[in-house]
Amino acid sequence: QQQVKQSPQSLIVQKGGISIINCAYENTAFDYFPWYQQFPGKGPALLIAIRPDVSEKKEGRFTISFNKSAKQFSLHIMDSQPGDSATYFCAASRKAAGNKLTFGGGTRVLVKP
Amino acid sequence: DTAVSQTPKYLVTQMGNDKSIKCEQNLGHDTMYWYKQDSKKFLKIMFSYNNKELIINETVPNRFSPKSPDKAHLNLHINSLELGDSAVYFCASSFQGSSRTEAFFGQGTRLTVV
Repeated sequence: QQQVKQSPQSLIVQKGGISIINCAYENTAFDYFPWYQQFPGKGPALLIAIRPDVSEKKEGRFTISFNKSAKQFSLHIMDSQPGDSATYFCAASRKAAGNKLTFGGGTRVLVKP
Repeated sequence: DTAVSQTPKYLVTQMGNDKSIKCEQNLGHDTMYWYKQDSKKFLKIMFSYNNKELIINETVPNRFSPKSPDKAHLNLHINSLELGDSAVYFCASSFQGSSRTEAFFGQGTRLTVV
């Protein structure tokens, strides 16, 4: 049972465009929703995170939109740059479960110059 | 000044062998994790230790045994390696008891069983 579903699996966007990645979760007990960025040969690195009491969080070109009633959250990358080409993972966790991260399947983003 | 460091970065070994992966964090975190990333890039939790105590043990074969000598170190020992164990193993760390629950990951250990 996949508790966090992520789409699309891959995405190609032109430089300057907007990349949008969506995630849906099942467990309403999750209380923390981070996004990780992973480059080839590297470990995942935290990009931005949100808690369910907030509907949107913006950090630079990256924005998380959170819809608690729909159990969905999304990552928007504005003004996408070639350096943003990476695999992005959404995740969810809850403190009562030791903050273990349940990851989505990942989205490979390619930004074309 | 690597925050979470794993050794080795690459590990190639034959089926049936026993191998260990080491992890150290210098962030002062109290919780450490092992995650497995398979060939399809799917990341899944394996174990977690909080202050040297095992708190998460997902459905992982008994051939995998984590050990935490202190809260800055978490090692993973794998017995009788199988082809299906080939994957990238990531160590991570975080604070358990605070509102800042960000997990920091190491660079990974790519294990190839031949």
